[in-house]
Amino acid sequence: AQSVTQLGSHVSVSEGALVLLRCNYSSSVPPYLFWYVQYPNQGLQLLLKYTSAATLVKGINGFEAEFKKSETSFHLTKPSAHMSDAAEYFCAVSVGGGSNYKLTFGKGTLLTVNP
Amino acid sequence: EPEVTQTPSHQVTQMGQEVILRCVPISNHLYFYWYRQILGQKVEFLVSFYNNEISEKSEIFDDQFSVERPDGSNFTLKIRSTKLEDSAMYFCASSQTGGAHQPQHFGDGTRLSIL
Repeated sequence: AQSVTQLGSHVSVSEGALVLLRCNYSSSVPPYLFWYVQYPNQGLQLLLKYTSAATLVKGINGFEAEFKKSETSFHLTKPSAHMSDAAEYFCAVSVGGGSNYKLTFGKGTLLTVNP
Repeated sequence: EPEVTQTPSHQVTQMGQEVILRCVPISNHLYFYWYRQILGQKVEFLVSFYNNEISEKSEIFDDQFSVERPDGSNFTLKIRSTKLEDSAMYFCASSQTGGAHQPQHFGDGTRLSIL
């Protein structure tokens, strides 16, 4: 069964520092992977998606993620953290068949940005 | 940018009562979903809906749950007799197609509190 695992339930960085949020996937077929962000009291907003077109995917707000098949990883990075990046981040994999897919989420990583 | 809207934002209900959560998906989307997030846990798939019928449902989605698209715009989740363990944030999502590569767009959620 396809799944994702997020390492680290809480990551704390200083403003201006590199952000690295880890996601590893388990899949017997090429996966379709997504990163979503959830700001306090809001829904899930799509940051970026991997659909096999390119291994380095750029998303909104300066985030990007690199698909590494050899490491079964899809880590999310941002070169310089901003206070507004403080939120919870979810990695997800699309699971299903035909035209019937659902998202399976990781447990989430709470990002704290310190001034 | 079009968005998924959910009402109410917060619903408080006595155990055993029926509750209906409402969603207006993005207008040209054809696939609809409900997910839930119990406090401190991961986002879980409940049900997917296409062409006026359920495409897939999870083990959580038992006989107490039902979904409906009563008109051309609304998509509802009904819990017939609520239990304490139904307390969670419920997210509605929609996508243009049901394919694996299609991102799902989420609403801000309804926080359901069962007393």
